[in-house]
Amino acid sequence: DAGVIQSPRHEVTEMGQEVTLRCKPISGHDYLFWYRQTMMRGLELLIYFNNNVPIDDSGMPEDRFSAKMPNASFSTLKIQPSEPRDSAVYFCASSLARNRAYEQYFGPGTRLTVT
Amino acid sequence: ILNVEQSPQSLHVQEGDSTNFTCSFPSSNFYALHWYRWETAKSPEALFVMTLNGDEKKKGRISATLNTKEGYSYLYIKGSQPEDSATYLCAFGRAAGNKLTFGGGTRVLVKP
Repeated sequence: DAGVIQSPRHEVTEMGQEVTLRCKPISGHDYLFWYRQTMMRGLELLIYFNNNVPIDDSGMPEDRFSAKMPNASFSTLKIQPSEPRDSAVYFCASSLARNRAYEQYFGPGTRLTVT
Repeated sequence: ILNVEQSPQSLHVQEGDSTNFTCSFPSSNFYALHWYRWETAKSPEALFVMTLNGDEKKKGRISATLNTKEGYSYLYIKGSQPEDSATYLCAFGRAAGNKLTFGGGTRVLVKP
C-alpha cells in the first residue's frame, strides 16, 4: 500500500488567499484525521471523519477552516481566507477501527507558509 | 479536555547511555496507549501500542511499560545511538472513541 498521501507537500501563499490541502487515506481505512503541528501547540487534532462523516470538528480553529470527505478515498482541508498565523505543518492520518487499538498512519504532511 | 503530558520536553543523551521518559494520561476510561517516533521533517511512525495494565513492549533497544491504574507509561532507550534522535510522542485512546489524544512529545538528542 502506498500509505497516506498528501498534496501538496509545500504550499506558500499570500494572506487572504484560499488554500486547499488534500489527503488520500490508506485504502480500506474508515477513519480520517486532520492535525496541525505548531511549535506552540504541538500536534493538535482539527477534525476527524468516520466513514466519510465528520464526527468531531471541535478542534477547527475558526470558520475560515473547513474540511470535507466526499468519498472514502479523498478529503480536503480548506482555509479561506488564509492568515500568517495559519502557517504550520498539516498532517492527515487514517486508521481502521478494528485494528490495533486506534493505531493511526500519518501522511508526510503539508508545510503551509502564509506570507 | 484530556490531559496527556510528557516529561521531560527534551533531553540530551550521550551516545551509549541509556535514558527513559514519561507519559502520563487519565486513568479512567482507558483503552490504549501508543508510542510514536517522529523524526524531523518526517511523519510520526508507530512504535508500540499497549492495551493492558502491566504490558511491556520491546523493539530492539527501545522498550515501553504501561501502568493504567496510575496513568503512566515509560519509554526506555538502552545504549542510545545518534539514530535514536527524534521526538517521541505518546497518545492516549479512550474507551468508546476512536481518536487519540497526543502528548507534547519528548525530544531526544543523542550526542556522539
